[in-house]
Amino acid sequence: DAKTTQPNSMESNEEEPVHLPCNHSTISGTDYIHWYRQLPSQGPEYVIHGLTSNVNNRMASLAIAEDRKSSTLILHRATLRDAAVYYCILRPSGSQGNLIFGKGTKLSVKP
Amino acid sequence: EAGVAQSPRYKIIEKRQSVAFWCNPISGHATLYWYQQILGQGPKLLIQFQNNGVVDDSQLPKDRFSAERLKGVDSTLKIQPAKLEDSAVYLCDSRFVVCVVTWEVHEQYFGPGTRLTVT
Repeated sequence: DAKTTQPNSMESNEEEPVHLPCNHSTISGTDYIHWYRQLPSQGPEYVIHGLTSNVNNRMASLAIAEDRKSSTLILHRATLRDAAVYYCILRPSGSQGNLIFGKGTKLSVKP
Repeated sequence: EAGVAQSPRYKIIEKRQSVAFWCNPISGHATLYWYQQILGQGPKLLIQFQNNGVVDDSQLPKDRFSAERLKGVDSTLKIQPAKLEDSAVYLCDSRFVVCVVTWEVHEQYFGPGTRLTVT
């Protein structure tokens, strides 16, 4: 079973910021928080990951709560191409273990 | 940019027929996974390879599914015989992870998948 909880769906307007939440109350000290997204008819795509500190890359920002029991993926300006299913997944540090996907959050972006 | 290659992209077969999928991972990636993604669900692990050895095949239905990665590079996944419930997208995940104490390199890419329809 997935170790994370996400809303089933969210809506956003184009060019507005989007905050996608994820709860992971059973996270262990060595678990990385990963985010992937899957566009229609494509394989999952890595978005960002972090351990304790907030992270930024060209695609998004990841805000991690101080107790690490939740995190938020931030898309600073949503575009129509950001419409996808977003998955939040925990991965033990250094492991090449299985990624356990939940159902993710389906993000719709309105023009 | 080179990525993970999978073929075929689409396949339609009748139940009880056989089918094979092929994956060519990123060069240098020792770890390869096959996932099954049924419509409306997240991907689910079928098998994990480290080089040419199987690390985890606990969720592979071994009575009908088989997979190999003979030279530690390309991999094939086979279904024989197929059932209606095998209709899904089959994803290949190519990964490279190095961890030294608290420093980690994690590189991972998924292929585009093979969409299988069993009629």
